[in-house]
Amino acid sequence: GENVEQHPSTLSVQEGDSAVIKCTYSDSASNYFPWYKQELGKRPQLIIDIRSNVGEKKDQRIAVTLNKTAKHFSLHITETQPEDSAVYFCAATPGSNYQLIWGAGTKLIIKP
Amino acid sequence: DAGITQSPRYKITETGRQVTLMCHQTWSHSYMFWYRQDLGHGLRLIYYSAAADITDKGEVPDGYVVSRSKTENFPLTLESATRSQTSVYFCASRTGLAGAYEQYFGPGTRLTVT
Repeated sequence: GENVEQHPSTLSVQEGDSAVIKCTYSDSASNYFPWYKQELGKRPQLIIDIRSNVGEKKDQRIAVTLNKTAKHFSLHITETQPEDSAVYFCAATPGSNYQLIWGAGTKLIIKP
Repeated sequence: DAGITQSPRYKITETGRQVTLMCHQTWSHSYMFWYRQDLGHGLRLIYYSAAADITDKGEVPDGYVVSRSKTENFPLTLESATRSQTSVYFCASRTGLAGAYEQYFGPGTRLTVT
């Protein structure tokens, strides 16, 4: 079955710098790759997603890239701000399966 | 987000007791999911449901029971609570439309088993 690995587990960056979180997946049939943000004590919420027929997607300071050949996708946050501090989860949907297979999460710390 | 609610939000129970966590969504989403999130860890799928009266096991189903008699409700029951089931439980739902994979999460229930 699908397996999603996420790195790093913790990432600390200076405010204003960029942050990159990477995930790899194992099932080449996976076709949907979302990123969720979970603030402390809150529910996970979708911040951006990408489908297998697209290589990159941007939404203001957030972007996701997908490399299907290497089976990895990344979240890029530019000009980081204190409100970006949270845990970020990647996930993948294998084929027509309606489940999401989740990465273990990355705690992003923005240093003032 | 107000479309998916969970109750109670906080629950303390004793080992061996039965406890039911409720999940209700107003979107008529076909799919519903129960996850547990242990401190400092990711999301682990307990059970999921594709429609009313259709449920299936996820990654960690032992000790849990679900039912789905109505599309909008998906209760999770811990038959005999154990300390290892202390966790935050999230319910989620998504539409059954082809290609619409986004899952919407409820606010969570923090369960403590003493």
